[in-house]
Amino acid sequence: NAGVTQTPKFQVLKTGQSMTLQCAQDMNHNSMYWYRQDPGMGLRLIYYSASEGTTDKGEVPNGYNVSRLNKREFSLRLESAAPSQTSVYFCANGPTNANTEAFFGQGTRLTVV
Amino acid sequence: AQTVTQSQPEMSVQEAETVTLSCTYDTSESDYYLFWYKQPPSRQMILVIRQEAYKQQNATENRFSVNFQKAAKSFSLKISDSQLGDAAMYFCAYRRGETSGSRLTFGEGTQLTVNP
Repeated sequence: NAGVTQTPKFQVLKTGQSMTLQCAQDMNHNSMYWYRQDPGMGLRLIYYSASEGTTDKGEVPNGYNVSRLNKREFSLRLESAAPSQTSVYFCANGPTNANTEAFFGQGTRLTVV
Repeated sequence: AQTVTQSQPEMSVQEAETVTLSCTYDTSESDYYLFWYKQPPSRQMILVIRQEAYKQQNATENRFSVNFQKAAKSFSLKISDSQLGDAAMYFCAYRRGETSGSRLTFGEGTQLTVNP
C-alpha cells in the first residue's frame, strides 16, 4: 500500500505559470486535504474535500483551485503562480470512524521565481 | 476558531537526556484529538503520539509521552532517552472530534536538535 502519493516532489515555476499538484490515496478515506508549510507558520489548510464531489476553502485558499476527481484523487491547481506561493505543499487524507489518524503525502517543494 | 501555539521555535538536548516540548491550544469544543507529528529532513510527516480529549490518562508510545492538562489547554511532549534520530521539526496539532471534513490545526513547530 502506498498510502497517500503526491507528485511532483520538486517544481520550479516562473511567475505567471500554471501547474497542478496531483494527489492520490489508496486507503478509501472520504476526506482529503491540501496544506502548505511555511517557516514559522506550521501547516495551514488551503482546501479540503469532506467527501467525493465536495470541496471547501480552508484558511489560505486565495490563488488556488482544487478538484476532487473521484474518491482516490484530489488535485491542487495554481492558475497563475506568484512568488508568495513558494512553499512546501502536503496532501493528506483521513480521518475515518475507524482511524483517527491523518496520513500525509511526501510533500512538494515549489519555488516560484 | 481553534488555535495551537508552540512557544519554543528551537530546542536542544543531549543524547540520552530528556526534553519536553510545549504546546497550548484554544478551543470551545469538548470532543477533540491532539497529536504530535515529527518531520525529519526527509519532509515526511510522521505521527508520534495522539491523545483523545475524553481520556484522562496521558498517552505513551515507548520513549514518547504527553502531559495532557485539559483545563489548562496544555499538551506537552516528553522525549526520554533522546536519540540522534529524534532530531526533527515537531508539530503539535488539534482536530475536532467529528470525522467528516475534520481538518488539523497545527502549531508553528519546534526544531529539536540532539547533541551527541
